[in-house]
Amino acid sequence: LAKTTQPISMDSYEGQEVNITCSHNNIATNDYITWYQQFPSQGPRFIIQGYKTKVTNEVASLFIPADRKSSTLSLPRVSLSDTAVYYCLVGDGFSGGYNKLIFGAGTRLAVHP
Amino acid sequence: DTGVSQDPRHKITKRGQNVTFRCDPISEHNRLYWYRQTLGQGPEFLTYFQNEAQLEKSRLLSDRFSAERPKGSFSTLEIQRTEQGDSAMYLCASSPGGGQRETQYFGPGTRLLVL
Repeated sequence: LAKTTQPISMDSYEGQEVNITCSHNNIATNDYITWYQQFPSQGPRFIIQGYKTKVTNEVASLFIPADRKSSTLSLPRVSLSDTAVYYCLVGDGFSGGYNKLIFGAGTRLAVHP
Repeated sequence: DTGVSQDPRHKITKRGQNVTFRCDPISEHNRLYWYRQTLGQGPEFLTYFQNEAQLEKSRLLSDRFSAERPKGSFSTLEIQRTEQGDSAMYLCASSPGGGQRETQYFGPGTRLLVL
């Protein structure tokens, strides 16, 4: 599975756009990029998944350049409630027919008033 | 609330004692996963069930750990002769089964403290 590198922490202020970049230089052809969010004392929660170009949902956007060696999670107009750890995961999701998630340490986002 | 529940939410035990955790996945989900998370780290995969069959166990799952999913519904994770290094958050997740890259739905976790 491709290894990912993310910033350990980021700070932002309410109302700003936050972009978290993840590097995955060894991404394989069949790999997808998935982001999870985790609040304190809760389990991770799926945010978004993509393969190439841009994916957008009601929570975030995911930008993936043509070489797919990195990806950027974009959170528009963050609020205090977006303070959480964000994990970037890369894999084909089909290891042995199921999806064994491999998490790194994630990026701790702190949103300030 | 994802629909996955775990019990208890917190457990304090003394070294050497046995503990058991329960996970109730979303009812129609065939796949069930256990993960362990220590402070400041991401969750680490422990084991996976497809219905009642345990199909993979991580090397993190020592002989003191055992997991079951007897009827393909709820699952239990037992730790025998607990050690201080077992202190962690134990997370359960489930997914529908039958598809690739399925979203996993995590429970709130059981936080274990071994004194």
